[in-house]
Amino acid sequence: NAGVMQNPRHLVRRRGQEARLRCSPMKGHSHVYWYRQLPEEGLKFMVYLQKENIIDESGMPKERFSAEFPKEGPSILRIQQVVRGDSAAYFCASSPNSGDSAFFGQGTRLTVV
Amino acid sequence: SQKIEQNSEALNIQEGKTATLTCNYTNYSPAYLQWYRQDPGRGPVFLLLIRENEKEKRKERLKVTFDTTLKQSLFHITASQPADSATYLCALENTESGYSTLTFGKGTMLLVSP
Repeated sequence: NAGVMQNPRHLVRRRGQEARLRCSPMKGHSHVYWYRQLPEEGLKFMVYLQKENIIDESGMPKERFSAEFPKEGPSILRIQQVVRGDSAAYFCASSPNSGDSAFFGQGTRLTVV
Repeated sequence: SQKIEQNSEALNIQEGKTATLTCNYTNYSPAYLQWYRQDPGRGPVFLLLIRENEKEKRKERLKVTFDTTLKQSLFHITASQPADSATYLCALENTESGYSTLTFGKGTMLLVSP
């Protein structure tokens, strides 16, 4: 049973470009969470999704950021018109049910130049 | 405001000793609390979950306590080994938005020297 898969592991974008981060949850997990981690900072919750639904996006900036978890395929975190401050590690986690322990992917390290 | 506090200073201990890490929180009423381990450049790895009606949980060399009156959890690693060196994260259930999600502390780095 493969773990949570995130790709790419490293992503470099120029200011103004779009970044698309992908996350395939563990098999049988229908709950997906995205977190952002800055150096010397903790993991900051961004968004919680179930298949085809955004459940809680209270941690996600209102502009430029969007997330989806379609019926088929991975969950996508999209950042439009990236700025230097978007540079961070973005982690995806999945769980079988809300309140269960979360299994994390290895993260995507986004660098905006 | 809600806060989760973990000691920001690294904890240095000698191999074989017991490491104790602290997680304090304010303005939360979590139904459960979790501990994770994170190595540099890697994603967090789940270690233990303890519920509000449980005082203590053990798993091999790990022990977690949860005091909802003191609003504190202690995480112990007995007979510590250099391989235990990592950052340990405390995470609380957060239902502020009406849904159950995890809010993480910044973590405490543990360094176990041989």
